[in-house]
Amino acid sequence: AQSVTQLDSQVPVFEEAPVELRCNYSSSVSVYLFWYVQYPNQGLQLLLKYLSGSTLVKGINGFEAEFNKSQTSFHLRKPSVHISDTAEYFCAVRVGFQKLVFGTGTRLLVSP
Amino acid sequence: DAGVIQSPRHEVTEMGQEVTLRCKPISGHDYLFWYRQTMMRGLELLIYFNNNVPIDDSGMPEDRFSAKMPNASFSTLKIQPSEPRDSAVYFCASSLRGHYEQYFGPGTRLTVT
Repeated sequence: AQSVTQLDSQVPVFEEAPVELRCNYSSSVSVYLFWYVQYPNQGLQLLLKYLSGSTLVKGINGFEAEFNKSQTSFHLRKPSVHISDTAEYFCAVRVGFQKLVFGTGTRLLVSP
Repeated sequence: DAGVIQSPRHEVTEMGQEVTLRCKPISGHDYLFWYRQTMMRGLELLIYFNNNVPIDDSGMPEDRFSAKMPNASFSTLKIQPSEPRDSAVYFCASSLRGHYEQYFGPGTRLTVT
């Protein structure tokens, strides 16, 4: 079964520093991958998605992710984070026709 | 667009009581998903519907949980009787066939004492 692994449960970073949140997926054909963000006391919001085409995907709020088939990775990056980026980030993979399976989440803590 | 609407946002109930959570998906979306989020187990898919028909309920923890979707604009998740271990945040999400990304509601925080 397809799955995703988020390697870091928590990532502390200083404001304006770059950040990378790691996600690895189990290998399969037709991989569709997603990153979601969850701010405190809110639902999940789609940041970006990879369905096909260019391996560099740009999303909202300055985030981007790169699909790497050889390393089965889909890491999320931002060149300069803000305090407001403090949130939980979830990687997800499509399984079956319309289902998503989510990773365990990575808590990004941005401090001044 | 109003997005996915869930009610109530918070529910506190005593063990043994019946709890009903409600969801209105985004208009036009034909898939609806119910998730549960806890610290211990993360985000779990409980059940999902396509065109109001339950497709996969393998994530429903036990017979105390039931979900219905009487029409395209409304779904309920019922727990009867509730237990303290049911305390969690329950999310509803919807999606459009072929578009894969899911849109989440704000969630219902359930506390069972």
